[in-house]
Amino acid sequence: DTEVTQTPKHLVMGMTNKKSLKCEQHMGHRAMYWYKQKAKKPPELMFVYSYEKLSINESVPSRFSPECPNSSLLNLHLHALQPEDSALYLCASSQEGFGGTGVGNTIYFGEGSWLTVV
Amino acid sequence: KNQVEQSPQSLIILEGKNCTLQCNYTVSPFSNLRWYKQDTGRGPVSLTIMTFSENTKSNGRYTATLDADTKQSSLHITASQLSDSASYICVVSAGAYGNNRLAFGKGNQVVVIP
Repeated sequence: DTEVTQTPKHLVMGMTNKKSLKCEQHMGHRAMYWYKQKAKKPPELMFVYSYEKLSINESVPSRFSPECPNSSLLNLHLHALQPEDSALYLCASSQEGFGGTGVGNTIYFGEGSWLTVV
Repeated sequence: KNQVEQSPQSLIILEGKNCTLQCNYTVSPFSNLRWYKQDTGRGPVSLTIMTFSENTKSNGRYTATLDADTKQSSLHITASQLSDSASYICVVSAGAYGNNRLAFGKGNQVVVIP
């Protein structure tokens, strides 16, 4: 099983709504990530969790709030978003925790959640 | 300045033909380089990963090469199929941050036509 599962696949929300994106992996990976990807652009790192602790926050606005309830789950809570936040949000995981330099530390991406803010 | 540059930005090829995609990087210290395939609207899928000591690595019809001295990599697609139409992203890991902080190229958009 090399899957990272993201739900929902599509989400439309108003600027006053509160919603959450969910991510799950059962590969025993120790690091989990949130990336944001706009059309025809490469993914941009938002957050990294390593061993269930927030390791990196790339100066993401507070309207995005990550949560890692356990080693298999990663959530992204959304509140008071702006239309420019509309994008594909990718979750990823890797075997090693933050700082790992193993050659085999492939990062596996989920299929993404398409978010539209209206 | 982007630390990972890919060329060509887009490419149209006939089904059955070969093509080569280029990636130049300035990331330092170098840890490893990966090629991902991303279909439109889907998450990236890993094709290959190489360290500085590896010159070539294959995954089916995909063959990646790496020249760590010149900081260049290429991805060669052999006998292209319609399903190869996708964006191919070169991703370089900086050694200082391990494998977790990645520098992404903007991708090579490949369209295979019958």
